[in-house]
Order: sequence, then C-alpha cells, then structure tokens
Amino acid sequence: EAGVTQFPSHSVIEKGQTVTLRCDPISGHDNLYWYRRVMGKEIKFLLHFVKESKQDESGMPNNRFLAERTGGTYSTLKVQPAELEDSGVYFCASSPPRAGWGNTEAFFGQGTRLTVV
Amino acid sequence: AQSVTQPDIHITVSEGASLELRCNYSYGATPYLFWYVQSPGQGLQLLLKYFSGDTLVQGIKGFEAEFKRSQSSFNLRKPSVHWSDAAEYFCAVGAVDSSYKLIFGSGTRLLVRP
Repeated sequence: EAGVTQFPSHSVIEKGQTVTLRCDPISGHDNLYWYRRVMGKEIKFLLHFVKESKQDESGMPNNRFLAERTGGTYSTLKVQPAELEDSGVYFCASSPPRAGWGNTEAFFGQGTRLTVV
Repeated sequence: AQSVTQPDIHITVSEGASLELRCNYSYGATPYLFWYVQSPGQGLQLLLKYFSGDTLVQGIKGFEAEFKRSQSSFNLRKPSVHWSDAAEYFCAVGAVDSSYKLIFGSGTRLLVRP
C-alpha cells in the first residue's frame, strides 16, 4: 500500500511567484492534514480536512495560503504570492475515518521543501 | 498555550552507546504523547505513543519512552544506538482541544559516530 505522497519534493521560487504543493493521502483516509516547519523550528499545524471539507484551518498563517481538496482525494496547498518567510518544509499527513487519539495515528509524507528567494 | 520543549538541538553518540532524548510538555491532565522520527529523505514515522496505562512505552526499532507526570516529561531512550538511527526526532503532544491536532517540539538531530 502506498503511503502519503507529496509533490514536489523540493521547490525554489522567487518572491512574489505562486507555488502549488500537492499531497496524495493514503487511499481511504478521509482525514488530511497540512503542517509546516519553518527555519528548523517546530512543526506547526496548518489545517485539517475531512473528505473535502475544511474542519479546522486555524493554523493557516494568512490569506496568501489556500488549501483545497476537491473530491476528497488529493489536496493542494497554494501560496500566492510567496514571501521569503514562507520558506520551510510542508508536511502532509492522513488518517482513517473517525480517527482519534486512542484508535489510530496520522501517517506523514516526506514533505516538500520550499525555498523562496 | 500548549507547548513541547526539546532542549537538545543536536546530540552525538557513538554507535553502541545508549541514548536518551529529552522532551518536556506543558499542561494537559492526561496528555497524548508521541515520538516521531524523520530519516533523510523519508517522512515522519511514528516511533511510539502514550495515551494511558503503563508509563513505560515500547516502540519500534528498539526505542522506548517513559512518561513522568511529575516532571512533565516523555524522554525517549534506546540502550544501544545503531548507525541507522541517525535522524531527526520529534516529540509531540495531542492538543487538548482536539482529537487530531499535534503540537510538535523543535526536534533533536541525532548524529552517530562510528
């Protein structure tokens, strides 16, 4: 079974440009999460989808970030326009339906390293 | 706000030596605690988790962690480190207001000397 897959693995863009990151969760996982690690600091929660619905986007830094999950399968995270402080590693994770602390875990992808120059 | 502290940014140990990575968390009556590892080019992999019960938790790859409520700690240990353990290790706690949101520490990078 394939794990969580993220594309691209690396992206270097200029300030002001647009970048779209993609995440393919494990098949059948309704829950999809985005996290970000900036400048070697802690990994921070961005948002949570249940199928195609945003359940929690409290961690999204500002309106330059737009996440979508059309059809409840893969998800994209668009940054437009990108700023220098957006550089970091963006992680995607997924978990099965009705997941909670006691019954499952979140499976993470390898991350997309974004560098804004 | 909840937080997780990993005081050691880098740790270097010799192969075969024992290892302890420190983790402290802020409040949470019954915290849900996790250790993840990221090897080069890989995603975050769950090593072990603590929800309740026995405070000494066994995980994969020979790792274990001990929950100490009095110290708000969840330190990760391994009795004998292998070169393949070189990676970055993240401690995390489940957010008290959520059943899915993880709060991570800043990570500890482990280097293994031959």
